[in-house]
Amino acid sequence: DIVVTQSPDSLAVSLGERATINCKTSQSILYSSNNKNYLAWYQQKPGQPPKMLIYWASTRESGVPDRFSGSESGTDFTLTISSLQAEDVAVYYCQQYYIPPFSFGQGTKLEIK
Amino acid sequence: EVQLVESGGGLVQPGGSLRLSCAASGFTFSSYWVHWVRQAPGKGLVWLSRINSDDSSATYVDSVKGRFTISSDSAKNTQYLQMNSLRDEDTAVYYCVRTNRVGAPSYWGQGILVTVSS
Repeated sequence: DIVVTQSPDSLAVSLGERATINCKTSQSILYSSNNKNYLAWYQQKPGQPPKMLIYWASTRESGVPDRFSGSESGTDFTLTISSLQAEDVAVYYCQQYYIPPFSFGQGTKLEIK
Repeated sequence: EVQLVESGGGLVQPGGSLRLSCAASGFTFSSYWVHWVRQAPGKGLVWLSRINSDDSSATYVDSVKGRFTISSDSAKNTQYLQMNSLRDEDTAVYYCVRTNRVGAPSYWGQGILVTVSS
């Protein structure tokens, strides 16, 4: 099974500053036919279901603000919020959907400093 | 508008069974893959199962294999998760999730709470 390791567990960032969350998979999740990494990023606010922000590691879902971006390097993946807004306070998860079981990272709680 | 509505949750004793439903509107399930994910109170997300819309085959995480079964009813445009031999540790909010057009788990239902307790 692919292990997804997310860091940090929690993060406090000042409004307007950059927030960075990392995710590492234990093996490649790159589909050679389309050269895409099968990794998604989700945002979950209290009492709500997760909302997908990014898929294919770096493709922003329709309607997601462009301050959210995803990047990739081998088996290392990063979600960046370029300028933190108050409404971005949430728990963020990554998930690999390349090979079942489609494992999630453990989550990162993002707060305002 | 894409909508997924889960139902069928509630309180069940250990060893009991429940069948969760996931009703769709705004699209036809047969064109997409569907995942089930759960979240224990205060904990992270755990992927459980996926049904392949192409051939109705399903895959499961080891912790529920042999106990949970995913199925679909195309006439009702509804997916089901049959859960048997329930344990205390199955207590969680259960979500059904539809993929987008390129297979990413994209659209989530609001979730339904299952409590396993005597």
